[in-house]
Amino acid sequence: AAGVIQSPRHLIKEKRETATLKCYPIPRHDTVYWYQQGPGQDPQFLISFYEKMQSDKGSIPDRFSAQQFSDYHSELNMSSLELGDSALYFCASSSRVRTDTQYFGPGTRLTVL
Amino acid sequence: AQKITQTQPGMFVQEKEAVTLDCTYDTSDPSYGLFWYKQPSSGEMIFLIYQGSYDQQNATEGRYSLNFQKARKSANLVISASQLGDSAMYFCAMREGLDTGNQFYFGTGTSLTVIP
Repeated sequence: AAGVIQSPRHLIKEKRETATLKCYPIPRHDTVYWYQQGPGQDPQFLISFYEKMQSDKGSIPDRFSAQQFSDYHSELNMSSLELGDSALYFCASSSRVRTDTQYFGPGTRLTVL
Repeated sequence: AQKITQTQPGMFVQEKEAVTLDCTYDTSDPSYGLFWYKQPSSGEMIFLIYQGSYDQQNATEGRYSLNFQKARKSANLVISASQLGDSAMYFCAMREGLDTGNQFYFGTGTSLTVIP
């Protein structure tokens, strides 16, 4: 079965640079979510989109923005990167007909130097 | 207050034995969903099992079952016949309400080690 696709899988950036993470949900899933997981921590919710509209918002820094496009893929844009942004970034997708269970992608490991 | 509490940072179990991972939750919303995920050392988050707040019976998925005690607000994961491949971090999560797109709240996780 098709899973959530995230790209890139690994990303290395310098401080103050920008980064764009991409997420392609499972086919026919209409909702995407973004989470940030620091080393040894639980995933922290950033933001979600349902049918291309922002649905819920968590602890997403103002330096970050995200959107969902007409083909349901989503992008997380991160600017003025800081050392503390180094983390594993997960995208998840869900479909209402499947109890909104979130299926996670493999994650993008971002390292800020 | 923490919405999801996992009080066991680390657990050990003998291969082929059963193990219970604890999870308690806190919500005033009558509609909610409870989920368990497995995160191996490779990093991916694997969905294991789901329990809805209105479900009358405990959820089961193969060797995984969820011991749902609504009055006690607990949703413990039971893994039967443990295998070496079960060694991983396990997260309990909750979604409040029925709105599509609502965030999941995660616990701090339990690290399970299966001993041969």
